[in-house]
Amino acid sequence: DVKVTQSSRYLVKRTGEKVFLECVQDMDHENMFWYRQDPGLGLRLIYFSYDVKMKEKGDIPEGYSVSREKKERFSLILESASTNQTSMYLCASSLNRDRTNEQFFGPGTRLTVL
Amino acid sequence: DQQVKQNSPSLSVQEGRISILNCDYTNSMFDYFLWYKKYPAEGPTFLISISSIKDKNEDGRFTVFLNKSAKHLSLHIVPSQPGDSAVYFCAASSNTGGTSYGKLTFGQGTILTVHP
Repeated sequence: DVKVTQSSRYLVKRTGEKVFLECVQDMDHENMFWYRQDPGLGLRLIYFSYDVKMKEKGDIPEGYSVSREKKERFSLILESASTNQTSMYLCASSLNRDRTNEQFFGPGTRLTVL
Repeated sequence: DQQVKQNSPSLSVQEGRISILNCDYTNSMFDYFLWYKKYPAEGPTFLISISSIKDKNEDGRFTVFLNKSAKHLSLHIVPSQPGDSAVYFCAASSNTGGTSYGKLTFGQGTILTVHP
């Protein structure tokens, strides 16, 4: 079974703090993704990575950066957290660039920025 | 600019009846479509997919229909069961090649409630 784990289920941070969200997958997948889920907006892609040290912007990259130093780990960084970044953050991975491959999701991190 | 739209935020159905969840898209480059299901406190899980070369794909109680001319797809669940109660997301991808492979655009989701 593919397992995607996220470092925290719930996180509360203050405006202006630097926030790190970690994601680890254990199936040697090439692709990894970060989404945020908001009511009425569904899942929106923030960034994705198709290889170590490679990253591509998704649909809403502003205010975020990512890091992929190892194949199994993909980190999402909020350089200076703002209240409009309060959201559910979901990490996913898939085998490779073949778009028919299923994306496997982690359980999500509920981030609240005060 | 929502390229994949699920216009019904919620749907309520009686156990044993059919559930029909709808999805519309605007990007004519989309040619592969998926449905994901999400329970509370869990990540979404893949349910079923369809390529644009088909108009129907079936997997057990789940069938997805694609109408390319209308840019519309639907997920049918027959018969519906209380365990099907979840949020259902429609997603789409386009064959743009290169680093776009694997990238999905999701709809807003529809909350399905199946009553016993």
